[in-house]
Amino acid sequence: QVHLQESGPGLVKPSQTLSLTCTVSGGSISSGSNYWSWIRQPAGKALEWIGRIHTSGSTKYNSSLQSRVSLSIDTSKNQFSLNLNSVTAADTAVYFCARESWEWLPSFDAWGQGTLVSVSS
Amino acid sequence: DIEMTQSPSSLSASVGDTVAITCRASQSITTYLNWYQQKPGKAPKLVIYAASSLQSGVPSRFSGSGSGRDFTLTISNLQPEDFATYHCQQSYRTASITFGQGTRLE
Repeated sequence: QVHLQESGPGLVKPSQTLSLTCTVSGGSISSGSNYWSWIRQPAGKALEWIGRIHTSGSTKYNSSLQSRVSLSIDTSKNQFSLNLNSVTAADTAVYFCARESWEWLPSFDAWGQGTLVSVSS
Repeated sequence: DIEMTQSPSSLSASVGDTVAITCRASQSITTYLNWYQQKPGKAPKLVIYAASSLQSGVPSRFSGSGSGRDFTLTISNLQPEDFATYHCQQSYRTASITFGQGTRLE
């Protein structure tokens, strides 16, 4: 049973960079037909997909965030990471990492518990 | 982006009831539609994938139907643990994944 766990600062100042890491356990990040995604949810609002990365290094980002976001992956540590720069209060949200399975039609079949990141001075 | 619209936004029901939640896409997504259950303070959990396939470990009282633009999640014989928020998500346009706004079942 794969397990995902987000880690990183819970408070980021405006204009700075939000950095989070997701550690995958219970399975290799390189196995299967999987991509690794970040999804966020502002309080009381809808889920918003941020982007995905494959172990090949291939990435795809939400066009609304593309200019500010980058994902990276470290297969030796079974981790992938999110950097979101020039943050504002609008980036305050619970951030989830998730496994996107492409074995059939794509779906997010495993999620981290989520971590709240607040943007405030 | 493909816009996903759920209805209703909230739904009141009782244990033992059968409820239906609908999701409409702004364009055809064939069967690239997933449903998630989310409880307060928790991560979403995949319930239905590919519009009608039951995720492993999910009770058979959950079912999904639809194709094209219109989809339905049906929960039969509601149990106390089913009261949660349900989200639909399209994976047709993999470069721009989008979710519905959620339906709160209370």
